[in-house]
Amino acid sequence: AQSVAQPEDQVNVAEGNPLTVKCTYSVSGNPYLFWYVQYPNRGLQFLLKYITGDNLVKGSYGFEAEFNKSQTSFHLKKPSALVSDSALYFCADQTGANNLFFGTGTRLTVIP
Amino acid sequence: EAQVTQNPRYLITVTGKKLTVTCSQNMNHEYMSWYRQDPGLGLRQIYYSMNVEVTDKGDVPEGYKVSRKEKRNFPLILESPSPNQTSLYFCASSLGIGSYEQYFGPGTRLTVT
Repeated sequence: AQSVAQPEDQVNVAEGNPLTVKCTYSVSGNPYLFWYVQYPNRGLQFLLKYITGDNLVKGSYGFEAEFNKSQTSFHLKKPSALVSDSALYFCADQTGANNLFFGTGTRLTVIP
Repeated sequence: EAQVTQNPRYLITVTGKKLTVTCSQNMNHEYMSWYRQDPGLGLRQIYYSMNVEVTDKGDVPEGYKVSRKEKRNFPLILESPSPNQTSLYFCASSLGIGSYEQYFGPGTRLTVT
């Protein structure tokens, strides 16, 4: 069974508006959740992670994510979107002892 | 510069012709893994390695082999490629599993005709 899900294949947002990319998880106990970004023709890059502690996690490029245990969500957010944020975003579960599980990805397009 | 390198970046081959995609990291990472990326399916793990001479299957290991003879290298071998292995492949490494972020290579786009 999938341990993370990204319900939106595509998210469009106007430049300067806040953005949210959704991720839900189904890992029991305390999950290790990550966000990665993939720019065109590049490998994935680490953005941020939740391991324990504060539910609001801040990461690279002004992104943040909120871990919500009651809603089993780990949505990625940014207060003001830039055109350069347009990319493919992956949520990942690294809770497993040996392997990792990635969501199917959400393509974010920021419209100028 | 800390990095994961993969070669080749692009490869077109024919069914049944054995090929190897190399992966190397210069960060002394213990954990390495291979993924394939397909539209609508995200990244799926093929094989992973916790350390030298320790490898194990991921979610989609059929048709692939790996080896980990040295800490820095983790080649992916397709003994008899088939068209359904046409995909974008990524190698990744990290200090370990769990709380450690993965460092990804630039990807290898493989086409099997």
